[in-house]
Amino acid sequence: RKEVEQDPGPFNVPEGATVAFNCTYSNSASQSFFWYRQDCRKEPKLLMSVYSSGNEDGRFTAQLNRASQYISLLIRDSKLSDSATYLCVVKGQAGTALIFGKGTTLSVSS
Amino acid sequence: EAGVAQSPRYKIIEKRQSVAFWCNPISGHATLYWYQQILGQGPKLLIQFQNNGVVDDSQLPKDRFSAERLKGVDSTLKIQPAKLEDSAVYLCASSVSGGAGLFGPGTRLTVL
Repeated sequence: RKEVEQDPGPFNVPEGATVAFNCTYSNSASQSFFWYRQDCRKEPKLLMSVYSSGNEDGRFTAQLNRASQYISLLIRDSKLSDSATYLCVVKGQAGTALIFGKGTTLSVSS
Repeated sequence: EAGVAQSPRYKIIEKRQSVAFWCNPISGHATLYWYQQILGQGPKLLIQFQNNGVVDDSQLPKDRFSAERLKGVDSTLKIQPAKLEDSAVYLCASSVSGGAGLFGPGTRLTVL
């Protein structure tokens, strides 16, 4: 089983749609969770951290379920500029590296 | 704030040749990572440094890859000899204390 697994995608949605990405992780000792965004031929950039209580940043909402080892990202009112690959990222205890999923590609069309 | 710098941005070599990549992390960032990203996949950790010491190099193919961070600041990653399957983007990232990393623009390597 891969350490971090994501929806295969791609997701093709119209502008204004709501889209959700899911991710599961295998190491129950993981302590930190993130969503990164990667545009075509660019480096990954931190989108948001994910907390157990759930957190929101504008149109983006992230949720973490430690019991199920499940992470989600919800994007509301999709914009053309949201088109990118979204990477689910998990980190163990302090001092360990980020472990990335394969990513899910989102394409928003007008 | 200046970002993570990497060079070169692109490199094309033939198999069995050698290549080196350079990374200058954000000033004050003690943790430095090298990741390999093959097309269609997420980044995979090659090596993690804390200052000038290696924290994790379990996925580094040590028969051909080497990395150093001699003064705890910039770092080099070397491949010798390169194979076709080494074609990828090599990403350097840094963080203050091992948290969410900030990535450089990467070096795109093509091995022919």
